[in-house]
Amino acid sequence: ELKVEQNPLFLSMQEGKNYTIYCNYSTTSDRLYWYRQDPGKSLESLFVLLSNGAVKQEGRLMASLDTKARLSTLHITAAVHDLSATYFCAVGFTPKGSQGNLIFGKGTKLSVKP
Amino acid sequence: ETGVTQSPTHLIKTRGQQVTLRCSSQSGHNTVSWYQQALGQGPQFIFQYYREEENGRGNFPPRFSGLQFPNYSSELNVNALELDDSALYLCASRDLGTGQETQYFGPGTRLLVL
Repeated sequence: ELKVEQNPLFLSMQEGKNYTIYCNYSTTSDRLYWYRQDPGKSLESLFVLLSNGAVKQEGRLMASLDTKARLSTLHITAAVHDLSATYFCAVGFTPKGSQGNLIFGKGTKLSVKP
Repeated sequence: ETGVTQSPTHLIKTRGQQVTLRCSSQSGHNTVSWYQQALGQGPQFIFQYYREEENGRGNFPPRFSGLQFPNYSSELNVNALELDDSALYLCASRDLGTGQETQYFGPGTRLLVL
């Protein structure tokens, strides 16, 4: 059974600080996704990582993928209050007969304080 | 380009009742997936529809069923509702066949079972 574990589950940061969220998964996959969810809202796609060593950056967020270690990281640089949200990683999997879907971690709730 | 839409936004039902949730996929997308997100958890894959057929299923009982229509919109039906079915139900669409990997999520339907 494919499992996706994120840590930490809760993260309180001060503005201007850096931090990293970790996502480990248990079975081989070559697709790793990061989503953001604001309270009461749906999921917003941040990054799709499709190969070992992939690195993508958007603003203060940078995501990377190490398929050999089955590990992805989401690095936050110089955090600002607007980044407060819950961040999910998800791993692509292909059930029998399917074209593939997502297994999500439990999410990391990020709170950035002034 | 219209995004993924869902209806209704909120719904209250009682145990044993049946419910139908609706999803319109993003323009040009031929695949719809449904996810259940319990409070404080990551979304869990229910099933996927591609070209009007179920194309993969997660660990949900048969009382969770669905349909996809020729215009690629979709319905999720849940029979014999249980208290644990209370959750946010998300649908996501993408265009299989183009290699596009990102799934785009709708705003969700929040279901409360009393």
